[in-house]
Amino acid sequence: IVLTQSPDTLSLSPGERATLSCRASQSVRSSSLAWYQQKRGQAPRLLIFGASSRATGIPDRFSGSGSGTEFTLTISRLEPEDIAVYSCQQYGYSPPGFTFGQGTKLEI
Amino acid sequence: QVQLVQSGAEVKKPGASVRVSCEASGFTITAYYMHWLRQAPGQGLEWVGRIAPSDGAIHYAQRFQGRVTVTMDTSANAVYMELSSLRSEDTAVYYCAREPPERTYFDYWARGTLVTVSS
Repeated sequence: IVLTQSPDTLSLSPGERATLSCRASQSVRSSSLAWYQQKRGQAPRLLIFGASSRATGIPDRFSGSGSGTEFTLTISRLEPEDIAVYSCQQYGYSPPGFTFGQGTKLEI
Repeated sequence: QVQLVQSGAEVKKPGASVRVSCEASGFTITAYYMHWLRQAPGQGLEWVGRIAPSDGAIHYAQRFQGRVTVTMDTSANAVYMELSSLRSEDTAVYYCAREPPERTYFDYWARGTLVTVSS
């Protein structure tokens, strides 16, 4: 399964709302869709799992939605600290393995 | 608290092998699945393979089959990845990460190890 994220780069202002898209080449189980935030020079951090559940310690400004082949990460009320690359990830069962989208770079 | 600490950066020549270690603290690796992933410069994340320390079950991404070996030492609470027949395209930051069993996401990541393959 190939995950395609859009846009490649998103430039917004503080306080605005960011909508990031992740499209799968085949239907994905919602339970196997996750989102990560990766700041420059750092390891990825889990934001969302199961398509819509926030990970521990993640502010409620971050939300995930979608099903099937279309998933969305929404960041409301952008803050300067949200500058990062955001990647979606899915787990496929045949063959078993994980794939990631190419990432969306968020500029503020 | 949960920590994953990897070994330091490596520089290897094409054709050589590299072994990266990942020591866990704050949890027992036998209660989780432990994964290896990598990220080439300016590229997205790529899954390499997984070990389930509870039973030793191992899965590798197809493109790495035959070149990668993931092992563990439960007494050291550590996992290891060895990648052989290195080529320049293997230059990347290699990460170990933890998956709660069968949850299909990675909830903790190490800071990564840069492996550079250059003649």
